[in-house]
Amino acid sequence: AQKITQTQPGMFVQEKEAVTLDCTYDTSDPSYGLFWYKQPSSGEMIFLIYQGSYDQQNATEGRYSLNFQKARKSANLVISASQLGDSAMYFCAMREVTNAGKSTFGDGTTLTVKP
Amino acid sequence: DAGVIQSPRHEVTEMGQEVTLRCKPISGHDYLFWYRQTMMRGLELLIYFNNNVPIDDSGMPEDRFSAKMPNASFSTLKIQPSEPRDSAVYFCASSSGTTSYEQYFGPGTRLTVT
Repeated sequence: AQKITQTQPGMFVQEKEAVTLDCTYDTSDPSYGLFWYKQPSSGEMIFLIYQGSYDQQNATEGRYSLNFQKARKSANLVISASQLGDSAMYFCAMREVTNAGKSTFGDGTTLTVKP
Repeated sequence: DAGVIQSPRHEVTEMGQEVTLRCKPISGHDYLFWYRQTMMRGLELLIYFNNNVPIDDSGMPEDRFSAKMPNASFSTLKIQPSEPRDSAVYFCASSSGTTSYEQYFGPGTRLTVT
């Protein structure tokens, strides 16, 4: 069974609008971390935001926020005020304590920001 | 900090040749990961190390692939013999040990096997 599911292969958003990228996960571990990475066309992987399983509040980093719904096992990334430079592939990932630090990545969502 | 360093950045080789990819993790990080990324298969974890010890190599495709980490500041991924289907971008990443720490990725090595 896939541990990280990103159901949107591709998404479009108008510049300056907000967009939500979906991520659901599967784990029985009570302690885990959830991460989002961005991969622009240049190829590098850039860390965006982190949410811990015990965190009470949703994580935010500038224009990025993570909508964490623990009971639903979802960790959606919200990008506010989209910019053309946000066009990239976005990966959701999870690290579990019982997996000795191993990360599991989703298949990614390609976001295109339209001017 | 210099970040994760990978070399070479690009490698073109002929089928059957040995290929060695190199990685220097961020100082102080105790986890090191090797990934392969292709259009068809996405991002795959090949192997990862903790404190220089291989923990999980279940993602290594076959015996042609091997990885070593002789010390905390250096790791290699070797393919011998290489095949055209090994063409991919290979990423090295490092991180600290707990679940609250993100992975820092190197720039990747783009391998083309002809």
